[in-house]
Amino acid sequence: AQSVTQLDSQVPVFEEAPVELRCNYSSSVSVYLFWYVQYPNQGLQLLLKYLSGSTLVKGINGFEAEFNKSQTSFHLRKPSVHISDTAEYFCAVDSNDYKLSFGAGTTVTVRA
Amino acid sequence: GAVVSQHPSRVICKSGTSVKIECRSLDFQATTMFWYRQFPKKSLMLMATSNEGSKATYEQGVEKDKFLINHASLTLSTLTVTSAHPEDSSFYICSARGATDYGYTFGSGTRLTVV
Repeated sequence: AQSVTQLDSQVPVFEEAPVELRCNYSSSVSVYLFWYVQYPNQGLQLLLKYLSGSTLVKGINGFEAEFNKSQTSFHLRKPSVHISDTAEYFCAVDSNDYKLSFGAGTTVTVRA
Repeated sequence: GAVVSQHPSRVICKSGTSVKIECRSLDFQATTMFWYRQFPKKSLMLMATSNEGSKATYEQGVEKDKFLINHASLTLSTLTVTSAHPEDSSFYICSARGATDYGYTFGSGTRLTVV
């Protein structure tokens, strides 16, 4: 079984500043990794995913993440955030058992 | 891209009644669908996994007689909350996965309030 740890529960950030959301996972097998964003009272929207290949993954809305196998991490970054990036962000892992395990989530609040 | 429609988005029901939530994949065939429950300011908790034409697999601690799941076609899964009580009030989200593209597409969620 795998577990997912999102190291920051809340991340306040000023508009146009960079942001990094940290995600670590534990799994003894190869994994597929995902980052989702959730706006209030809505479902989850996929930002990006890592299945194989290049460890640097680019997603929507200017987000990117880097898979680091040795550190079992998949941190999400954006070089310059907007007010509209205020949301809940979830890291998720699938260890080939064809279902997702989610981290606890990180609340990003962007201030002007 | 893949789209999953979840309906209703919001429902209020009386205690003791049953509520059905629908999850439809609009432009792909969903071989597997998932139902999650999300408490306020919490992460998603997987309730069950359903494969088309077979019985759903429930996670530990989830009452299968209370949360009835039907996956009768490759585009539709339903979750019925039977004899709902106020403690069943929550945000329920479905997700679907197709056979060809490795990805999970989520519905927009259903806010259930039991009064």
